Amino acid sequence: AAGVIQSPRHLIKEKRETATLKCYPIPRHDTVYWYQQGPGQDPQFLISFYEKMQSDKGSIPDRFSAQQFSDYHSELNMSSLELGDSALYFCASSLRNRGRKTEAFFGQGTRLTVV
Amino acid sequence: DAKTTQPTSMDCAEGRAANLPCNHSTISGNEYVYWYRQIHSQGPQYIIHGLKNNETNEMASLIITEDRKSSTLILPHATLRDTAVYYCIKRWTEKLVFGKGTKLTVNP
Repeated sequence: AAGVIQSPRHLIKEKRETATLKCYPIPRHDTVYWYQQGPGQDPQFLISFYEKMQSDKGSIPDRFSAQQFSDYHSELNMSSLELGDSALYFCASSLRNRGRKTEAFFGQGTRLTVV
Repeated sequence: DAKTTQPTSMDCAEGRAANLPCNHSTISGNEYVYWYRQIHSQGPQYIIHGLKNNETNEMASLIITEDRKSSTLILPHATLRDTAVYYCIKRWTEKLVFGKGTKLTVNP
């Protein structure tokens, strides 16, 4: 079965550069979530989209932005990168089902290293 | 909105059942209990979820107490590949909010 695809898998950037992470959800899924996981930390929710509209917002820095496109893929744009942005970034997708919670499936993540 | 409470770590012998407890005493009537696990920096993997009834699937069983203030995830026959961090999550909105989780180590 198709899974959530993230690209790139690894990314190395210098401080103050910009990075773009991409996420391709499971086909027919309408909701995308972004998470950040620092070294030794638990995944932290950043932002989510439902039907191309932002649906929830967590601890996402103002330097970061994201959007969901008409084909439901999503991109996380990160500017003015800092050393502390080095982390694993996970994308997850789910299909919203009114009245019933459905599971969210995660991609394998993008490891961002800022040097 | 308090997260759940789980033991920091647990050990289990290979082939035995692993019982992972979770306390969610502040759970509201509309919140589900979800379990995910994360194997060494891979993406979190969905295991099971439930509202108030016990649930079972091919991976695990979920036992929720009648008052819904706690639950137990059961891996019936743990293998070395089940070594991971297991997260118990209360979920009302669409997003999943991860707490600290339990580091389960399955020993040969």
